[in-house]
Amino acid sequence: SSELTQDPAVSVALGQTVRITCQGDSLRSYYASWYQQKPGQAPVLVIYGKNNRPSGIPDRFSGSSSGNTASLTITGAQAEDEADYYCNSRDSSGNHSWVFGGGTKLTVL
Amino acid sequence: QVQLVQSGAEVKKPGASVKVSCKASGYTFTGYYMHWVRQAPGQGLEWMGRINPNSGGTNYAQKFQGRVTMTRDTSISTAYMELSRLRSDDTAVYYCARVTSNYVGDNWFDPWGQGTLVTVSS
Repeated sequence: SSELTQDPAVSVALGQTVRITCQGDSLRSYYASWYQQKPGQAPVLVIYGKNNRPSGIPDRFSGSSSGNTASLTITGAQAEDEADYYCNSRDSSGNHSWVFGGGTKLTVL
Repeated sequence: QVQLVQSGAEVKKPGASVKVSCKASGYTFTGYYMHWVRQAPGQGLEWMGRINPNSGGTNYAQKFQGRVTMTRDTSISTAYMELSRLRSDDTAVYYCARVTSNYVGDNWFDPWGQGTLVTVSS
């Protein structure tokens, strides 16, 4: 089965731009979706498809993809963006399965 | 609004089984796959499997094959996940999530249930 690899931790100064990346073979076939999770809460979808935001997600969140790498960019990070972020995609190996990245802990300084 | 409400926390002994429910509202239950994801304490998200609420067809992650059973009751718009032969490392929060697919095969999990903590301890 496929794997998705994320950096365990990333930090950003308040108001600056940060990119969180996700690598995996399945991303050559499928766009990643991205989830924000704050302590004690369920994950929340922030980006899906080529670069789509669900209703209620601020436009400072955006997504992109190139080759086997998907990226989540936060332009002008806010204190409330401090959270864990997970990427996800369908497994491209032919099995009906899905895979999550290991997660990235974002710290806003 | 679209909402998934899960059953309450469970404490089980090793070797026992647990059945978690996920009640859907605000949309046509049979129109979307329901997936199950778990998260061990301090760890990341782990995909367990999915059920087609229309047909009842399932796909499970290889890791859980033989131990997990996903079912549904369309009359009450509820999906179930049963995990058997529980071990201490099955202690986790279990989430259900509705998955939407587009015409090019992309998928996204939204919304998620609030999570159900299952604790396995002797």
